[in-house]
Amino acid sequence: ETAVFQTPNYHVTQVGNEVSFNCKQTLGHDTMYWYKQDSKKLLKIMFSYNNKQLIVNETVPRRFSPQSSDKAHLNLRIKSVEPEDSAVYLCASSRDWGGYEQYFGPGTRLTVL
Amino acid sequence: GDSVTQTEGPVTLSEGTSLTVNCSYETKQYPTLFWYVQYPGEGPQLLFKVPKANEKGSNRGFEATYNKEATSFHLQKASVQESDSAVYYCALGPPNSAGNKLTFGIGTRVLVRP
Repeated sequence: ETAVFQTPNYHVTQVGNEVSFNCKQTLGHDTMYWYKQDSKKLLKIMFSYNNKQLIVNETVPRRFSPQSSDKAHLNLRIKSVEPEDSAVYLCASSRDWGGYEQYFGPGTRLTVL
Repeated sequence: GDSVTQTEGPVTLSEGTSLTVNCSYETKQYPTLFWYVQYPGEGPQLLFKVPKANEKGSNRGFEATYNKEATSFHLQKASVQESDSAVYYCALGPPNSAGNKLTFGIGTRVLVRP
């Protein structure tokens, strides 16, 4: 049963546009994440968000920014997309910040033309 | 930093045969080790985790032993089914209460033919 929800499933856009992806978890978890999964299925952590504390991966370009209204929601905005941003963006959550397993959403596939 | 190395796919095999996906790791800590599985069109889901060295984890016929001496955590299944076709990720996490950054391997695509 899915407990981490992501919208949209797919998004196609042009270079330079702004996009926003939504993520909601109904597990009551305190920590949420954004991952980028490339065409070779490689998973890279982008952001972690725990109790209003944002932890940014230093390799993430500045055009990416997470937005959180509460601990159940973590959105991702990309200001001006570039072709290399084409990927699947996976949202995940975990109970706490202490070594617990992560639960993933189904992902949002972004295609930048 | 931490790293995970696993079998490069794709791994193609026939139904009823055995599967092994190798996983080796490097870390200065005493990690928790995970296997995740990702079916087409879905996000990764936890297959099982093992927090302690020399213990075995298992689920759905898959198993792996946390070998601290060899720094390995190989995934095995004695008899695969077509429904086991998926991408399998080995991952390393810090010990409990030390943060929750998971380090994933590259993922191994497994294709089981009927």
